[in-house]
Amino acid sequence: AQKITQTQPGMFVQEKEAVTLDCTYDTSDPSYGLFWYKQPSSGEMIFLIYQGSYDQQNATEGRYSLNFQKARKSANLVISASQLGDSAMYFCAMRSFYGGSQGNLIFGKGTKLSVKP
Amino acid sequence: AAGVIQSPRHLIKEKRETATLKCYPIPRHDTVYWYQQGPGQDPQFLISFYEKMQSDKGSIPDRFSAQQFSDYHSELNMSSLELGDSALYFCASSLGRDRYNEQFFGPGTRLTVL
Repeated sequence: AQKITQTQPGMFVQEKEAVTLDCTYDTSDPSYGLFWYKQPSSGEMIFLIYQGSYDQQNATEGRYSLNFQKARKSANLVISASQLGDSAMYFCAMRSFYGGSQGNLIFGKGTKLSVKP
Repeated sequence: AAGVIQSPRHLIKEKRETATLKCYPIPRHDTVYWYQQGPGQDPQFLISFYEKMQSDKGSIPDRFSAQQFSDYHSELNMSSLELGDSALYFCASSLGRDRYNEQFFGPGTRLTVL
């Protein structure tokens, strides 16, 4: 069975500093994708970044980068130069691309990030 | 750019009532996913549709049913509502169900069952 583990229920970071949110995953599928979503208090689910299991390079999107270590089955999100608007819940998610999988996302429990001024 | 539309955005119902949530995917998207997020919980996959056919089923209660219509919009029908059904219900759409097609989430419908 597939599983996403986020071990940090809550994190604090000082404005303008970098922060790493941890994510480990478990799957036996050879082909999968890893996603990070941001959920502000308003509730919407905002896509941040994607990493494919066969991608050689770590994904980057602006201030977001994904530290993908396939052998360790980890996909940590790094946010550089934190801003007050980054305060939100962050979910790591996985989607299998193997066999008969229909592509639904499996989410971790989330990490609540609070940025301090 | 057009986004996924969900209606209503908020819904309050009594126990044992029924509710219908609607999802309008991004134009040309043919795949719809429904997720349920309880208070303080992570989103859980309920059901998905591809080209108007049910594609996959997750942890959807038997009291719930859903379908995708000819214009690709989808409706989630919930009967005999229980207090535990109070949650944020997301719809996501994608173009095709394969591989790297990103799922775009709607703003969600917040259902409160009293």
